[in-house]
Amino acid sequence: AQTVTQSQPEMSVQEAETVTLSCTYDTSESDYYLFWYKQPPSRQMILVIRQEAYKQQNATENRFSVNFQKAAKSFSLKISDSQLGDAAMYFCAYRSALNNNAGNMLTFGGGTRLMVKP
Amino acid sequence: DAGVTQSPTHLIKTRGQQVTLRCSPISGHKSVSWYQQVLGQGPQFIFQYYEKEERGRGNFPDRFSARQFPNYSSELNVNALLLGDSALYLCASSWGQGLRTGELFFGEGSRLTVL
Repeated sequence: AQTVTQSQPEMSVQEAETVTLSCTYDTSESDYYLFWYKQPPSRQMILVIRQEAYKQQNATENRFSVNFQKAAKSFSLKISDSQLGDAAMYFCAYRSALNNNAGNMLTFGGGTRLMVKP
Repeated sequence: DAGVTQSPTHLIKTRGQQVTLRCSPISGHKSVSWYQQVLGQGPQFIFQYYEKEERGRGNFPDRFSARQFPNYSSELNVNALLLGDSALYLCASSWGQGLRTGELFFGEGSRLTVL
């Protein structure tokens, strides 16, 4: 079974600064997907960024980018130019790429609460 | 366009009771998944349904059951409630299943408190 670990329960960043959230995972599979989700107080999980394991290039979405280290099984999220609206819980998640039926089965980490100081 | 909608948003039950949670997926989405999120933890996968059939099940007891209707909406049922069932129950929809799942869209969840 796969596991996802987020070792930082809380992080704090000054507005306009850069912050990096850590995530490690354990799997014996070679092909999979990794995700970062944001969960604001409204509770709705919102996809921030995704990475396919077979792609060497790190994914980027505007101010959000990842550092994917496949050998180290590490998948960190960098938020640049932090904004007050970035304050939320952030979850790292894993999904197998095996062609099975449970395509929507995500394994989540425990989350990191990000606080943004004005 | 409406997103994933869940009802009720909050509910309180007592131990031993039964609860039914409802989810309407985004129009055109045929797959619905359920997740349990205990306070302070990440979500855990419970079920996935696609085209009205169960396509995946997480490590949850038989007290948990679900179904999907012809209009692709879904219900999650939990029988014989325990205090440990208190959690936020999230529904997510996507247009496909398996490798063609597409992006998951989550609802705002149903907050269940068991006293």
